[in-house]
Formats: sequence, C-alpha cells, structure tokens
Amino acid sequence: SQTIHQWPATLVQPVGSPLSLECTVEGTSNPNLYWYRQAAGRGLQLLFYSVGIGQISSEVPQNLSASRPQDRQFILSSKKLLLSDSGFYLCAWSVGGRGGTDTQYFGPGTRLTVL
Amino acid sequence: AQSVSQHNHHVILSEAASLELGCNYSYGGTVNLFWYVQYPGQHLQLLLKYFSGDPLVKGIKGFEAEFIKSKFSFNLRKPSVQWSDTAEYFCAVNALNDMRFGAGTRLTVKP
Repeated sequence: SQTIHQWPATLVQPVGSPLSLECTVEGTSNPNLYWYRQAAGRGLQLLFYSVGIGQISSEVPQNLSASRPQDRQFILSSKKLLLSDSGFYLCAWSVGGRGGTDTQYFGPGTRLTVL
Repeated sequence: AQSVSQHNHHVILSEAASLELGCNYSYGGTVNLFWYVQYPGQHLQLLLKYFSGDPLVKGIKGFEAEFIKSKFSFNLRKPSVQWSDTAEYFCAVNALNDMRFGAGTRLTVKP
C-alpha cells in the first residue's frame, strides 16, 4: 500500500533562517506531488505541484521554492523565512492527471512557526 | 479561476442531530467533487467523491453527499452525528485539472 511521510512534524525557525521540508511517498511510481499551505479559516492553498522529476509548477508567487530530486521525493525550501511563512504545510500525491479524476492523498503535515 | 465556497465556518451540534454542510462552486462545466475530513491530530483523508453517475454519493462512516448541478452544489449530509465526527471538513472541486479546496467547516459534536 502507498504511504506518504513528511518531516519534521513541527518546526520553529527565526525570521531570515533557511527552510527545508521533506516529503516522500512509498508504494507508487511516478506520482504527481503537491505542496499545500493550510491556514485557519482559509482552506488549502496549492503552492507547488510536480508531474515528474525536476518538473515543478508554482501556483502563487512567494518566498518559497520546491524541488523534486527523486521520483518520490518532494522538498519545500526557503532561503530566508518571513513571519508570513508560518502555517501548516501539507504534501499530497495522486496518480493520473494533475488532480484529474484521481484522489489526492495527504501526508501528516508540518507545523511551521516563524518567530 | 474557479472558486469553492463553504459557508459554514463552525457548526456545533449535539449527538444524534442531523448534519448538512454546504459546498458551492463556480465552474459551469464538468467537475469532479470531493469531501475530505481532518480529525484532530490526523491526516486529511477522503470521505467521499463524485465523478459521474448517481448524484447521491455514499462515503465512509455514514456520510453522503448530493451533487446538484443546477445549484452548483455538493452538500455533505449525515442523518445522525456522533461525538467522533468532530473534525474539520473540506470540500474540493476539480475542474480542468485544477483542484481547489474550500476554506473548511469545523464541526463540533457535543456528547
């Protein structure tokens, strides 16, 4: 069966520090991968999605970047964190078209607090 | 870009009460519809989905949702809620390979 891992589970970082959040998927090949940010009362905002190694699409201009160095690994990064980057970050995967008719499966999330 | 609206931000019910959570979307063409649930401290997980066929969809844990195309709606229902249904519920709509989530509805069920 497929599983999705995210780490760390929680992170507290000072403003201006770098960030690296990791997501890995097991049990499937060539998944579509997604990074979302969940803010209270605002639902899930899609940040990045990837249909393959090295292929990243950004949904919104922001202080963050994403990379996919391996088929089942998706990394969310920042060179210098801002206070506004605080939030709950979710990684998800799906097969088939981007979203499409296939369900997205979510990881446990990372709670990031920028002080 | 299409939008998804969940009008109820926080719903408080007593056990055994009936539940209906609203979800409306803006895209006028073919859509795929989802409800996700996030229990306290757990992953976001799929509750039910609609792609085609019978517009009344049954999901896990006694939930169901009805797709009404003319109203652009996909409301979630459960005839009798339990304390364990306390969670946050998200509606999601996929149109033209673009998946959008609603802001979520927090459900609190009092024992």
